[in-house]
Amino acid sequence: AQSVTQLGSHVSVSEGALVLLRCNYSSSVPPYLFWYVQYPNQGLQLLLKYTSAATLVKGINGFEAEFKKSETSFHLTKPSAHMSDAAEYFCAVSSRAGGYQKVTFGTGTKLQVIP
Amino acid sequence: GAVVSQHPSWVICKSGTSVKIECRSLDFQATTMFWYRQFPKQSLMLMATSNEGSKATYEQGVEKDKFLINHASLTLSTLTVTSAHPEDSSFYICSARGVSSYEQYFGPGTRLTVT
Repeated sequence: AQSVTQLGSHVSVSEGALVLLRCNYSSSVPPYLFWYVQYPNQGLQLLLKYTSAATLVKGINGFEAEFKKSETSFHLTKPSAHMSDAAEYFCAVSSRAGGYQKVTFGTGTKLQVIP
Repeated sequence: GAVVSQHPSWVICKSGTSVKIECRSLDFQATTMFWYRQFPKQSLMLMATSNEGSKATYEQGVEKDKFLINHASLTLSTLTVTSAHPEDSSFYICSARGVSSYEQYFGPGTRLTVT
């Protein structure tokens, strides 16, 4: 069984401020972890992924996330928010047992960037 | 690479009619395709998983006779919403996975409105 919890359905930051979106996961086996971004009326775009290599993962658009096994966390950060970062962000987990299993998504965090 | 398309991007239909949504992997062979449904301001909920040439596996609570899924080739899966009702109005997103990949590639989504 696997699950994802995203803390905070809405996060507001000022332009230029640090972005921190929280994600905690639960998995009975070593997981794959993902962050996706979704703009209104669009599909999901992969920001970054953790697949058991480096625990600090760098993605597109200046985002990065750190896998912390002891805390079962995979928080998403960006040093300086840009107006174009305003979107919905989804954390997701996929367990590696059996090669591949279905992806489970968190409930999403809507990021608002204030000018 | 790894592009997934959906057609149509949006559709409006009358209650009682059927609607077909196509999901295509444009530059890779998708042995597995997934269909998700997303209600406004909510996360993605997996509806079904389809493997090329075999019957789809539906998630609990999803009516297989209402949401017909066909995965006839390695690049095409279709979702048909039969006898659509206003409560079927939603954003439908497909994703595809290649032969040796743990990662899903998402289509841009289809907005269905049933009047």
